[in-house]
Amino acid sequence: GQQVMQIPQYQHVQEGEDFTTYCNSSTTLSNIQWYKQRPGGHPVFLIQLVKSGEVKKQKRLTFQFGEAKKNSSLHITATQTTDVGTYFCAGPVTSMDSSYKLIFGSGTRLLVRP
Amino acid sequence: NAGVTQTPKFQVLKTGQSMTLQCAQDMNHNSMYWYRQDPGMGLRLIYYSASEGTTDKGEVPNGYNVSRLNKREFSLRLESAAPSQTSVYFCASSETIGRTEAFFGQGTRLTVV
Repeated sequence: GQQVMQIPQYQHVQEGEDFTTYCNSSTTLSNIQWYKQRPGGHPVFLIQLVKSGEVKKQKRLTFQFGEAKKNSSLHITATQTTDVGTYFCAGPVTSMDSSYKLIFGSGTRLLVRP
Repeated sequence: NAGVTQTPKFQVLKTGQSMTLQCAQDMNHNSMYWYRQDPGMGLRLIYYSASEGTTDKGEVPNGYNVSRLNKREFSLRLESAAPSQTSVYFCASSETIGRTEAFFGQGTRLTVV
C-alpha cells in the first residue's frame, strides 16, 4: 500500500550543528505537512507545503517539497536545545474508495547535545 | 478553547478487558482520527472519520472499533484488550482530511497486562 517513509530514525547533533530529515512517499502527494512532538507531548503542526518545488522558512527551519511531490525535507540551521523532539511528515494518501486518509511517516527523533 | 480533549490520560487493563477511549473536539471540525504511537513506529492510523456519520479503517484497525457519536465526539473501543495494544493513543481532528492542520489531543497511555 501507499507509504510515507522518513529517514533517519534518530539524529544526535551538537548544539549549533545543522539537522535534516527526509520524507519520501511511494505516490504523489497533493500536499505534505510537518509536525513536531516534544518528549512526552503530542504532535503539533508546523507547516503545510502544497506546490511542486515549494520552499518555506520559519526562522531557522526550512521546508522543501520536491518537484515530483513525492518527497520533502526539513532542515534546521544551527540547532538549539529547544529543537529537541521528534519531527514527523504526514500526507493525505488515497484509500481504496478514493477517499483520503492522513498518514504519518515514522518520524525522526532529534537529540541535541548542549 | 479546549481544542481536542481525550479521556482518560492513563489506563491499565488486564488482558481480555474492554474499554472505550473518549475524544471530543470543540473546533467544529469535520474529520477526526485515532492514532497509536509505539517506540520507533511513528504514528499509525487506526480509524478515521472523514465527516459525521462516516468511519473508515486506517493502517492498523484490527482489535478496535470506533463510533462517531456526533460531530464533536469520536470514541475508540477495545473489545478484548491484548498486550500488543499497549501504546499511546492520540485522537486528532481537522477541518478536512489531510488538507488542513490536524490538532491532537494530549494522548492516552494504555498498558495491557
